[in-house]
Amino acid sequence: GDSVTQMEGPVTLSEEAFLTINCTYTATGYPSLFWYVQYPGEGLQLLLKATKADDKGSNKGFEATYRKETTSFHLEKGSVQVSDSAVYFCALIDSGTYKYIFGTGTRLKVLA
Amino acid sequence: SQTIHQWPATLVQPVGSPLSLECTVEGTSNPNLYWYRQAAGRGLQLLFYSVGIGQISSEVPQNLSASRPQDRQFILSSKKLLLSDSGFYLCAWSQGPGYEQYFGPGTRLTVT
Repeated sequence: GDSVTQMEGPVTLSEEAFLTINCTYTATGYPSLFWYVQYPGEGLQLLLKATKADDKGSNKGFEATYRKETTSFHLEKGSVQVSDSAVYFCALIDSGTYKYIFGTGTRLKVLA
Repeated sequence: SQTIHQWPATLVQPVGSPLSLECTVEGTSNPNLYWYRQAAGRGLQLLFYSVGIGQISSEVPQNLSASRPQDRQFILSSKKLLLSDSGFYLCAWSQGPGYEQYFGPGTRLTVT
């Protein structure tokens, strides 16, 4: 079945550092891909999405590009802030069952 | 715009007691609805989903059940809680199969 693999955390960065959180997937077909963010004690918020190859999703300074050739959807931000500290989840929609497949999440901690 | 509500926000219940968590969605009709559980420091586990009133699909056999008595209301229940039921319960909705999901704020359940 489909699967999502995220880099293990925690990731600790200084404020204004460049962020990359790796996400790769295994799927039949070309699923829609998502990044969600979860702040402490809260639900998941949709951060960005991409629905086809070479699409770039972006929001709040975060970007991710749907790479079919490498089956990847890495999350990037040029300059992180303390307020970006959260857990980030990569996900896809299984094209057979239409269910979400989530990665295990990557905790990001940004230090002032 | 659409909003999703969950209550209660936090709950502490003794082992063997019943459970009822409620989720409601505003601003849309005939949504797909989902219940997830997130154990401490772990990813999300899909528990139930519903494509319409009275239609419930269970993903994990356990002592939990779900019901959808109204179009925009989704309820998670248990007759007798176990210690292992502790976790963060998230409700989500989507326009339909294959669409992105939007999550509620969650309910923190502690079974003592």
